[in-house]
Amino acid sequence: QKEVEQNSGPLSVPEGAIASLNCTYSDRGSQSFFWYRQYSGKSPELIMSIYSNGDKEDGRFTAQLNKASQYVSLLIRDSQPSDSATYLCAVGWGGANNLFFGTGTRLTVIP
Amino acid sequence: DTAVSQTPKYLVTQMGNDKSIKCEQNLGHDTMYWYKQDSKKFLKIMFSYNNKELIINETVPNRFSPKSPDKAHLNLHINSLELGDSAVYFCASSQGQRPQPQHFGDGTRLSIL
Repeated sequence: QKEVEQNSGPLSVPEGAIASLNCTYSDRGSQSFFWYRQYSGKSPELIMSIYSNGDKEDGRFTAQLNKASQYVSLLIRDSQPSDSATYLCAVGWGGANNLFFGTGTRLTVIP
Repeated sequence: DTAVSQTPKYLVTQMGNDKSIKCEQNLGHDTMYWYKQDSKKFLKIMFSYNNKELIINETVPNRFSPKSPDKAHLNLHINSLELGDSAVYFCASSQGQRPQPQHFGDGTRLSIL
């Protein structure tokens, strides 16, 4: 059974701080890793994808992948109240284009 | 606008009824999906179609039947609706067979009375 685990939160950070979101996964064969943001009542929106070990930066967002530890994280620098949402970690395996989602971490950025 | 669009946005119906949700994407993707998101916000794959062919069929009751008339459309028909079917159903699409980013529609909120 493939599993993707996230701390459900809520995670609260003050405006301007760094928010750190973590995700672990069970299958060492995992190849693709994605972070989605979901505002309440809205659909998931892709914010980052990462496929190889190391860091990937896009604006205020940095994704970090460590396949040996089966761990992927998302850092949000200079957090803004508009970043308040649920962040979903998704992991893809093998040949089938199938993603397994974590249960999400709810982030609240306090003004 | 390029997007994944699904209709209806809200669906309120009685237990035992049959209903359909439609999904269309104009992103040129060849793979489409149906997900169910329950009240605890857990997003779970139900079905996946690649070029009109069913490739993923998770453990879903037979009352749920997807249909893909072409690679830009994926519909979901649900027979004999039950209370436990209440959820938000998301359609998504992506390109290619290897795990690629998926783009989601706005969701259909299904409420069973």
